[in-house]
Amino acid sequence: GAGVSQSPRYKVAKRGQDVALRCDPISGHVSLFWYQQALGQGPEFLTYFQNEAQLDKSGLPSDRFFAERPEGSVSTLKIQRTQQEDSAVYLCASSLSPPWSTDTQYFGPGTRLTVL
Amino acid sequence: GENVEQHPSTLSVQEGDSAVIKCTYSDSASNYFPWYKQELGKRPQLIIDIRSNVGEKKDQRIAVTLNKTAKHFSLHITETQPEDSAVYFCAASTGNQFYFGTGTSLTVIP
Repeated sequence: GAGVSQSPRYKVAKRGQDVALRCDPISGHVSLFWYQQALGQGPEFLTYFQNEAQLDKSGLPSDRFFAERPEGSVSTLKIQRTQQEDSAVYLCASSLSPPWSTDTQYFGPGTRLTVL
Repeated sequence: GENVEQHPSTLSVQEGDSAVIKCTYSDSASNYFPWYKQELGKRPQLIIDIRSNVGEKKDQRIAVTLNKTAKHFSLHITETQPEDSAVYFCAASTGNQFYFGTGTSLTVIP
């Protein structure tokens, strides 16, 4: 079946612009995670959802970052007033079970954001 | 919170040799330890995982060992092939969050 998809795959933004990154999880997956991956580093947790509920947003680096999953399926990560330090690959992952059951996460291809 | 350290950061081996990547974690509540392979510009792909009630798991040329007492786990790749070249990430999870290591860039020299 279809895996996790993300769009756009590449995004170039001017400093100060707002951006919206989309994630389509695997159908039926309860949990959805967002990660930020800087060049040469491992993914760093940003936030996760169980269905439409955002249960943990402790990894969001600032109040310029906002994520939502209003219908418990597609999720959007929004970054307001982008800064150069926001440049990274943003990865989305989904898993079948609720977060506390520690199920396998399946990653999307990521969105590479470059802020000029 | 959890802290995952991964070593080495780079590893070069001759084709056919074995490769070992090691990770340590700090939170004794972590109970799930996946390993991901990430090729350049591509998504992380799960290659093997282990849960805390198991000490070792093997899948063909790949094996993972877990020592809960020492809080470390390792990835073993035997009979390496050029297509094994990639960045490998370990992770530890309590179920609420996944914490990733900084990655090991493995190069298999033909």
